[in-house]
Amino acid sequence: DVKVTQSSRYLVKRTGEKVFLECVQDMDHENMFWYRQDPGLGLRLIYFSYDVKMKEKGDIPEGYSVSREKKERFSLILESASTNQTSMYLCASSLQGFSYEQYFGPGTRLTVT
Amino acid sequence: GENVEQHPSTLSVQEGDSAVIKCTYSDSASNYFPWYKQELGKRPQLIIDIRSNVGEKKDQRIAVTLNKTAKHFSLHITETQPEDSAVYFCAATDNNNDMRFGAGTRLTVKP
Repeated sequence: DVKVTQSSRYLVKRTGEKVFLECVQDMDHENMFWYRQDPGLGLRLIYFSYDVKMKEKGDIPEGYSVSREKKERFSLILESASTNQTSMYLCASSLQGFSYEQYFGPGTRLTVT
Repeated sequence: GENVEQHPSTLSVQEGDSAVIKCTYSDSASNYFPWYKQELGKRPQLIIDIRSNVGEKKDQRIAVTLNKTAKHFSLHITETQPEDSAVYFCAATDNNNDMRFGAGTRLTVKP
């Protein structure tokens, strides 16, 4: 059974804090993705990675960075959290990019106060 | 880049009725169209997908149709059941790996 896990289900941080969201997949997938989900806006791509140490910007990368040091792990970093980054964050992985099924993690609901 | 619009944003049907959700896309080069279902508090999961070389695909009570000329694709759920209640997302991907999700449709099936 495929599995994508995220480090936290719920997280509360203060404005200006550095925030790390971690995602791990056990399917040996090359591709990993970070989305944020907001009501009425669907899923918007923040960053994705095709391989270890490789990253590509998605549609809304501002205020975020990522790290992929190992194939199974993809981290999203908020350098200085702001209230407009309060959202649900979803990690996903796929075997071959966007044109194949993406397997999602359970999500992290981040609140920035 | 790709742009995907999804309608309706909410849909309420009686158990046993059919539900149809429609998405339009902008990039004629798009070639992969998945549909994801997200139950309350759970992760999105792929329920069906279609590629541009196929006009229709069916899996039990769900089907997806694709009209490349009009650049729209639709999800059809027949004989709806309460467990079909969820948010459904469409998406479209082109050869440049430019992928967009629709805004989602909240489907409620009333028993």
